[in-house]
Amino acid sequence: DTGVSQDPRHKITKRGQNVTFRCDPISEHNRLYWYRQTLGQGPEFLTYFQNEAQLEKSRLLSDRFSAERPKGSFSTLEIQRTEQGDSAMYLCASSSSSDIASYEQYFGPGTRLTVT
Amino acid sequence: GQNIDQPTEMTATEGAIVQINCTYQTSGFNGLFWYQQHAGEAPTFLSYNVLDGLEEKGRFSSFLSRSKGYSYLLLKELQMKDSASYLCAVLSGNTGKLIFGQGTTLQVKP
Repeated sequence: DTGVSQDPRHKITKRGQNVTFRCDPISEHNRLYWYRQTLGQGPEFLTYFQNEAQLEKSRLLSDRFSAERPKGSFSTLEIQRTEQGDSAMYLCASSSSSDIASYEQYFGPGTRLTVT
Repeated sequence: GQNIDQPTEMTATEGAIVQINCTYQTSGFNGLFWYQQHAGEAPTFLSYNVLDGLEEKGRFSSFLSRSKGYSYLLLKELQMKDSASYLCAVLSGNTGKLIFGQGTTLQVKP
């Protein structure tokens, strides 16, 4: 396995458009996380899945944001009616709850979103 | 509330030792991570501390004091490639959610 992958790596969109990002976690990992990172800041937690169940959502995640993990494998993050403030790096991470060192999260390369 | 503080920037010389401090106040604590992040890249795991004390791993060591809400990352024999952002993150709750500090940008100079 080559690690966590994300697609696309870069996305430029106009304000008001909808965008969707995809994350493919490490295949045996049942936990999946989405974070958002702006320049000069650390990542901020957005949401968490265990298998296909979305178990936690940050208050940062407005109703314009929705995430799914339909079969407990890949996940998508959709932003509707994008705003300039949505411009950020969107990071996906995965981990396994079955390992002793189960809390280590492996991050993907991120999707950089620019809203013009 | 959740608050994690670390210095914004640090500068050190190649071959030297540098210590990056992190203080935290969080509503839940299940351990503390340090990640390294090069510009434009994903964070990569460096260390995890859940018990008090020092964990050593090659040139990098990490220390935790739970009673003081304090951790540090020690980098020895600095190399130019160590120039990066270093992120302190607290593991909060049972979901594995990470609460990150803003990161410390380390510049290693020749």
